[in-house]
Amino acid sequence: NAGVMQNPRHLVRRRGQEARLRCSPMKGHSHVYWYRQLPEEGLKFMVYLQKENIIDESGMPKERFSAEFPKEGPSILRIQQVVRGDSAAYFCASSPPGVAYEQYFGPGTRLTVT
Amino acid sequence: GENVEQHPSTLSVQEGDSAVIKCTYSDSASNYFPWYKQELGKRPQLIIDIRSNVGEKKDQRIAVTLNKTAKHFSLHITETQPEDSAVYFCAGFQAGTALIFGKGTTLSVSS
Repeated sequence: NAGVMQNPRHLVRRRGQEARLRCSPMKGHSHVYWYRQLPEEGLKFMVYLQKENIIDESGMPKERFSAEFPKEGPSILRIQQVVRGDSAAYFCASSPPGVAYEQYFGPGTRLTVT
Repeated sequence: GENVEQHPSTLSVQEGDSAVIKCTYSDSASNYFPWYKQELGKRPQLIIDIRSNVGEKKDQRIAVTLNKTAKHFSLHITETQPEDSAVYFCAGFQAGTALIFGKGTTLSVSS
């Protein structure tokens, strides 16, 4: 059973460009969470999704950030018009149905904005 | 909302010693408390967890204790080894929300 997959692992964008981060949950998992980790800090919750539904986006900045989890394909976190402050590691986690607290993390995407 | 405080932020021990990391939470509705270990450049990995109806849980050299009245929980690592060196995160969870993490403890085990 493959674990949570994220790609790309490293992403470099210039200020003003768009960043697209992808997450494929573990097989059988229907919940996806996105977290952001700034250097030497903890993980901050951004958004919680189920297939075709955003359940909780209270941790996501109101502007430039969006997330989706379509019926087919991976979950995508999209950051428009990136700024240097967006540089961070973005982790996706997934959990099985009915066990939302048992979250397994992907390897992360390290975004660098130059 | 929930707030999780973790301390110490750094902890250095000699190989074979015990290490204790403590966390407090603010919302009594939180009912699940996992601990994650993150090695440099790697993903956070769940190492042990405890639910609010349990006071203590052990898994080989690691244990977690929970005091619901005081709203704090602790990670205990005995007989530490160099490979235990990592950043450890505690978290709290309430049904319908996401994990709320502490800021992490960097554990260094020297041989």
